[in-house]
Amino acid sequence: GAVVSQHPSWVICKSGTSVKIECRSLDFQATTMFWYRQFPKQSLMLMATSNEGSKATYEQGVEKDKFLINHASLTLSTLTVTSAHPEDSSFYICSSSPGGGPEQYFGPGTRLTVT
Amino acid sequence: QKEVEQDPGPLSVPEGAIVSLNCTYSNSAFQYFMWYRQYSRKGPELLMYTYSSGNKEDGRFTAQVDKSSKYISLFIRDSQPSDSATYLCATRSGNTPLVFGKGTRLSVIA
Repeated sequence: GAVVSQHPSWVICKSGTSVKIECRSLDFQATTMFWYRQFPKQSLMLMATSNEGSKATYEQGVEKDKFLINHASLTLSTLTVTSAHPEDSSFYICSSSPGGGPEQYFGPGTRLTVT
Repeated sequence: QKEVEQDPGPLSVPEGAIVSLNCTYSNSAFQYFMWYRQYSRKGPELLMYTYSSGNKEDGRFTAQVDKSSKYISLFIRDSQPSDSATYLCATRSGNTPLVFGKGTRLSVIA
């Protein structure tokens, strides 16, 4: 299967600071990337869909000014959590589909803890 | 009604048992069906992908889709402790984002 990587795998930050999470497609070009968050023992919640070279589309209830998504190249998308608060602590996961096909591959996830 | 329903379990079985995991969905437009396995604190791993109705087998895993009853199944034969994880069904139509079930937590006891 296709490989998606994320960095960092775990980050701790202080309340009020910003954190950037990187998502890379290692062996394919990702025209579209999806960003999810997952709380403990819950399923994945789609936050936004990012398309290379254009603005991301955010799901209802997700603050686009708080969760900044940039998809400047076909292999890299970034999610920046601005002015982080403890309630933003969660597991953030990105995914993409090689060639825009139906199969979607996920990164290993980034655990964010805001203190 | 949620678009994809999945019993969250937990489901506990002895090693070697056949495991049956199931989902139902409501949107008849869904045409792609996937099963993911997620270990604790890891990203979901794609296990099986099927298009439309039918069966697909890969080693100890078999995925079944019955579009007439909107029913998705994953069978695991000769289950192993290493199969202990959360299993998520997911579906989509065309280029739309995946719609996930809640996930079923499976424990295989040695």
